[in-house]
Amino acid sequence: GAVVSQHPSWVICKSGTSVKIECRSLDFQATTMFWYRQFPKQSLMLMATSNEGSKATYEQGVEKDKFLINHASLTLSTLTVTSAHPEDSSFYICSAKGEGTGELFFGEGSRLTVL
Amino acid sequence: GQQLNQSPQSMFIQEGEDVSMNCTSSSIFNTWLWYKQDPGEGPVLLIALYKAGELTSNGRLTAQFGITRKDSFLNISASIPSDVGIYFCAGHRSSNTGKLIFGQGTTLQVKP
Repeated sequence: GAVVSQHPSWVICKSGTSVKIECRSLDFQATTMFWYRQFPKQSLMLMATSNEGSKATYEQGVEKDKFLINHASLTLSTLTVTSAHPEDSSFYICSAKGEGTGELFFGEGSRLTVL
Repeated sequence: GQQLNQSPQSMFIQEGEDVSMNCTSSSIFNTWLWYKQDPGEGPVLLIALYKAGELTSNGRLTAQFGITRKDSFLNISASIPSDVGIYFCAGHRSSNTGKLIFGQGTTLQVKP
């Protein structure tokens, strides 16, 4: 079946640095990918919709200049957390919309810890 | 952001028991989905529902799309220890965008 892979799985960084998370669709092309954030013991909250070849669409309350999204190819979207702070520590999960059925496939998630 | 109201928040049951959880919304949804999430991993799709009234099974799991399109339930029969995890309902309000709204999750613990 369709697989979505995220990298890295875990990342620890210092406050003020930037961190890039990759989301790849391994065996299908995804014109649309979604980025979610999940704080401990909470649900997934949609951050933004990533569209190949165009600007991402951000949900209300999500700073587009802080969470940079690049969807440069049909199999790769990246989320860059700029000038990370401890409150950005979270589990970031991407999903990709599959071809044909439009089913959503989720990545394994990337846990960010900002010290 | 908008969330679906999912209940119960957590359940602690004995192996072999049946489990039921549900989600409700004040808005109509076009699609209802049920996911399971294990610790440190992304959610995995269990069942997808596309039509009001639809009842779908996947092994020991059964889910239904409410007639009003504002609710859905998930039943797990004869629970086993590997059913432990967090179950999320999710829905599409618009089938075109692919944007999902998630419930708060139900944490299931199964005692062997």
